[in-house]
Amino acid sequence: EPEVTQTPSHQVTQMGQEVILRCVPISNHLYFYWYRQILGQKVEFLVSFYNNEISEKSEIFDDQFSVERPDGSNFTLKIRSTKLEDSAMYFCASSEVGNEKLFFGSGTQLSVL
Amino acid sequence: GDSVTQMEGPVTLSEEAFLTINCTYTATGYPSLFWYVQYPGEGLQLLLKATKADDKGSNKGFEATYRKETTSFHLEKGSVQVSDSAVYFCALRSNAGSYIPTFGRGTSLIVHP
Repeated sequence: EPEVTQTPSHQVTQMGQEVILRCVPISNHLYFYWYRQILGQKVEFLVSFYNNEISEKSEIFDDQFSVERPDGSNFTLKIRSTKLEDSAMYFCASSEVGNEKLFFGSGTQLSVL
Repeated sequence: GDSVTQMEGPVTLSEEAFLTINCTYTATGYPSLFWYVQYPGEGLQLLLKATKADDKGSNKGFEATYRKETTSFHLEKGSVQVSDSAVYFCALRSNAGSYIPTFGRGTSLIVHP
């Protein structure tokens, strides 16, 4: 069964460093998403992406964040200068139809020290 | 804005026990409601959904009924198995304003043999 894959599964970084989280969505899907979950809190929406551009973003997704689809398969989330409060599990998702039945990766646990 | 509230976990049950995981929501309009499940080491996957009031979503022995009067979508299963041990996420997708799915914090279920 096709699945969304995320790498790495764990990422440890120092405050102020840049990190890139990588995702390979399901190949025929057109809509891509990033969510995050801080420990003990809700899963929060960050950004959605369609047709090579951001279609919607939340207040969390400020200038420190960016997304890119550098080739036909990868979808990346970059955090330019990480803060302690960026520590969270980051989930990538994709869907064939916008906002319907999302398929999620298993997440990248980001720890900012 | 839209929000989903789930009961705190973990919920710990013996095999064959009855399961209820509570979920209530706040939304404008008439949202679609979802339950996603995350098995250990995997991504979230859609378990069931309901798109209008009084609809019942069901899958793999799990059921949830869309109750508009109580703004609830509680997940139930008559007889849980060890293999049901996972984290369960309630979610909604509004049909007004943002169409991006909004998730709860997840409820961990642990089933003992």
